[in-house]
Amino acid sequence: EAAVTQSPRNKVAVTGGKVTLSCNQTNNHNNMYWYRQDTGHGLRLIHYSYGAGSTEKGDIPDGYKASRPSQENFSLILELATPSQTSVYFCASGDAGGGNERLFFGHGTKLSVL
Amino acid sequence: QQQVRQSPQSLTVWEGETAILNCSYENSAFDYFPWYQQFPGEGPALLISILSVSNKKEDGRFTIFFNKREKKLSLHIADSQPGDSATYFCAASTNTGYQNFYFGKGTSLTVIP
Repeated sequence: EAAVTQSPRNKVAVTGGKVTLSCNQTNNHNNMYWYRQDTGHGLRLIHYSYGAGSTEKGDIPDGYKASRPSQENFSLILELATPSQTSVYFCASGDAGGGNERLFFGHGTKLSVL
Repeated sequence: QQQVRQSPQSLTVWEGETAILNCSYENSAFDYFPWYQQFPGEGPALLISILSVSNKKEDGRFTIFFNKREKKLSLHIADSQPGDSATYFCAASTNTGYQNFYFGKGTSLTVIP
């Protein structure tokens, strides 16, 4: 069974602090994604990666950085957290087979920035 | 602007009824449309998907109807069960280069026993 694990599950941060959200996948998928989910907005793409060493900007990258040090791991970094970044963050890996990619999501990280 | 729109925002049906969830999109280049199901506290999971070359896709009680000309699609859940209560997201992407999925805001479905 495909597995995407996120840590932590919950995080409370202070404004201006640094936050790192971690994601690990055991699917051996090349593609990995970070989304945020907010009421009234659905899922919005922050950053994605095609493989180890690559990161690309998604639709809402401002205030976020990403790091893909290996095939398995993809991190989302908030250098200076702001209350507007309070959200639920989902990591996903994708089996880009023939273009009809299936995304496998983690359980999410609930981040509160106070 | 919102590339993918879903309606209704929330839907309540009785057990055994057919639930109909609607989705429309803006970009004519979209050609792959997955539907994801999300239960509270979990991440979304792929439920069923359709390519734009088809006008219908069935998988058990779940059926997608697709109208390319009108840029609309719908998910029909036949014989709805309380366990189907979840939020359903319609997504769309193009099959050129990398795939960037655009998600709708979701429809929250409640099935009453």
